[in-house]
Amino acid sequence: AQRVTQPEKLLSVFKGAPVELKCNYSYSGSPELFWYVQYSRQRLQLLLRHISRESIKGFTADLNKGETSFHLKKPFAQEEDSAMYYCALKTGGGNKLTFGTGTQLKVEL
Amino acid sequence: EPEVTQTPSHQVTQMGQEVILRCVPISNHLYFYWYRQILGQKVEFLVSFYNNEISEKSEIFDDQFSVERPDGSNFTLKIRSTKLEDSAMYFCASSDGRSGANVLTFGAGSRLTVL
Repeated sequence: AQRVTQPEKLLSVFKGAPVELKCNYSYSGSPELFWYVQYSRQRLQLLLRHISRESIKGFTADLNKGETSFHLKKPFAQEEDSAMYYCALKTGGGNKLTFGTGTQLKVEL
Repeated sequence: EPEVTQTPSHQVTQMGQEVILRCVPISNHLYFYWYRQILGQKVEFLVSFYNNEISEKSEIFDDQFSVERPDGSNFTLKIRSTKLEDSAMYFCASSDGRSGANVLTFGAGSRLTVL
């Protein structure tokens, strides 16, 4: 069965420090991976997806099939990055996403 | 920017009562979903809906749950007889389903409290 693991419930960094939010997945087929973000009192929204290999708001994530990981990285954290981040896995031809438990990122001044 | 709209934002109900949560997906989207998040836990898939029928559902989505698209704009989730453990935030989402771009747009959620 597919699974997404986000080992850190809370990650606290100082402004300007690098950020890495970890995500590992378990899936035997060819995965599609996403990062969703939820800012305070706002809805879940897509941050980025691995197939587009884009950088959004300075964040990047590379799919590493050997390590079954899709870690989210940003070289210099900003205060406005404070939010809940969810890694999600779409499997096969289906439309459902399997979410991780989320990591709360807190960027301190 | 188009949004997925959910009503009500918060509903309090007594155990055993029926609840209907409403969603208006983005107008040109073809796939519709319900997810839920129990407080402190992860977002869980409930059901996906396409072409007027359920395309996939989770084990959570038992006979107490049903979904409907009663007209061209609304997508509803009904819980027939609510239980305490149904208390959660329910998120509706929609996507256009284009190949390689199955990006879900989520609503703000409906918080259900069962007493």
